[in-house]
Formats: sequence, structure tokens, C-alpha cells
Amino acid sequence: EIVMTQSPDTLSVSPGERATLSCRASQSVSNNLAWYQQKPGQAPRLLIYGASTRATDFPARFSGSGSGTEFTLTISSLQSEDFAVYYCHQYENLPQFTFGPGTRVEIK
Amino acid sequence: EVQLLESGGGLVQPGGSLRLSCEAYGFTFNLYAMGWVRQAPGKGLEWVSSVSGSGGRTHYADSVKGRFIISRDHSKNTLHLQMNGLRGDDTALYYCARGSGYSPDSWFDYWGQGTLVTVSS
Repeated sequence: EIVMTQSPDTLSVSPGERATLSCRASQSVSNNLAWYQQKPGQAPRLLIYGASTRATDFPARFSGSGSGTEFTLTISSLQSEDFAVYYCHQYENLPQFTFGPGTRVEIK
Repeated sequence: EVQLLESGGGLVQPGGSLRLSCEAYGFTFNLYAMGWVRQAPGKGLEWVSSVSGSGGRTHYADSVKGRFIISRDHSKNTLHLQMNGLRGDDTALYYCARGSGYSPDSWFDYWGQGTLVTVSS
């Protein structure tokens, strides 16, 4: 099973600041990596797929990068609506998909 | 507009069974893989199972293999998850999610709001 780790567990950021979230895979997943945003009481929403392609619902301040085992989600200038939990997800290794444990982005 | 509406959750005793359903709207159901992802209270996301667009390929997490069965009814545009031998650690909000393509090895692009399963005596 591919193990996904995310860091940090919690990121405290002021509105307008940049946020950088990391996701690491225990073995290569190529670029088969997605990011999801989840707000309290809501279902997850697809944010990034293919490691770097942004879903249509999200603005350009969100960007993804990386391949292989190291991935980054960057939010260039945090807005109030961006405070949420972010999960990475590898879909390289069926029959075992795995999600990372999540990074909570909170208001500083 | 894509919509996924889960149902069938509830309280069940350990060892019991439950069948979850997910009605799909707004897309050609048999062209997309589907999956179930669960979230225990206060915890992260855990993939449970996925099925190809045709229903011919199914995959399960080790934690549910041999106990859960995923299936799809194309006449009713509905995804099912038959859960048997339920345990306390199966307690979670179960999300239905659409795969981005026909094959199950893809990301999930739409999610339902979830149905809560509680396993307790």
C-alpha cells in the first residue's frame, strides 16, 4: 500500500498570505495525485488533479506542483473562504487508493 | 448538473448488515466509474471501494474486502454498497463519488453529501 503523508498537520495563516502545503507518497505515483478541499459540514470538493490541473470551480490563486513522491499545493493569497482542510489522494495504485491525513488551514 | 444522493445509512448492531444507495443525476451513468469514500467522525478520508463504468471491475480497501460489495444498477442510475459483518470501526459518513472517467483508476470529480452509518449495540 502506498502511504500518503501531509505536512504540516495545521497551518496558521493570515488572510492575504501565501500557504504552502506538502504531500509525500511512500513510492512514486507519477502525476496521479489529486487535492480536495473540505469545509466543516461539507463534502470534499475536487481542487487539483493530475498533480497540477486546477478544477474549474477554483480560482488561479490555487496551484499544484510535483511528481513522483513529492507534491505541493500553494494558495498564493489566502482568502477567508479558503480556510478548510486539504487532502491529497493518490490514484496511481489501484486496487488501493489512499488519501493523506489532511492539512488544516486556519486563520492566524 | 451532476448530483449524487446517498441514502440507506442508519444505526446497526455489530455483525449486522446495511445497504447504501447513491442515485446519480445529470450525467450518463454507465460512462463513469463510481466509488465510496468514508470519513469517521472527526477523522480524515478513507477510500472504501470503486467500480468501473460497466460494473465489471471492482476494487476494495483491505479493511472491507470480503465484507462489502459494490454494485451498480444502470436501469436506475444507482450505485450500491452492501455492507455485511459491520464493526464499530465502520462507523462513518459514507460519501458516494464519481470517478473522472470510465476506468476506476481516476480521481473523484463529484461527491454526494454522505449518509451516516453508526455501528453500535
